[in-house]
Amino acid sequence: GDSVTQMEGPVTLSEEAFLTINCTYTATGYPSLFWYVQYPGEGLQLLLKATKADDKGSNKGFEATYRKETTSFHLEKGSVQVSDSAVYFCAPRGGATNKLIFGTGTLLAVQP
Amino acid sequence: ETGVTQSPTHLIKTRGQQVTLRCSSQSGHNTVSWYQQALGQGPQFIFQYYREEENGRGNFPPRFSGLQFPNYSSELNVNALELDDSALYLCASSLGGDRSPYGYTFGSGTRLTVV
Repeated sequence: GDSVTQMEGPVTLSEEAFLTINCTYTATGYPSLFWYVQYPGEGLQLLLKATKADDKGSNKGFEATYRKETTSFHLEKGSVQVSDSAVYFCAPRGGATNKLIFGTGTLLAVQP
Repeated sequence: ETGVTQSPTHLIKTRGQQVTLRCSSQSGHNTVSWYQQALGQGPQFIFQYYREEENGRGNFPPRFSGLQFPNYSSELNVNALELDDSALYLCASSLGGDRSPYGYTFGSGTRLTVV
């Protein structure tokens, strides 16, 4: 069935370090791809999205490129801040019910 | 525009009881999905409604049921509560049904504790 695999957390970085969170997926059809962020005690916020191959989604300094050939959608940021500390979820939307599919998420902890 | 609002924010129930969680969709959105997020886990899809009809369901038993109203607000009902039902329940709304490329807007969730 449809699934998503993210790198295991926690990812611990110093402020201004470069961030990569890997994401690969399996999904039927041609899914749209999303990254969501969840701050402690809150719901999920849409961070960025891409709807077709080679599209690059970007927001708040974060970027991810839809790589259909490798079924990947890795999240990157050039310089992280303490305020970026949260759990990040990669989520394809597709399959028979066109639902979002989540993995376990990746916890990012940024230290000053 | 208003976002997605859920009520209540926290709830404590006893095993065997029934619970109803409520969700108001973002203005203009006609699709709503419900997710269960256990502690430390990613959200798991429960079901989705599009224009008041259920059009997708995850691997949850029939005691999880839902409704979507003409104004696109929604309810999640859980009967015969079990301890494992303790989780954060997230409602998410979107525009469009099947094949929609749009992302969902999530509410802040209802934290349900079953004791």
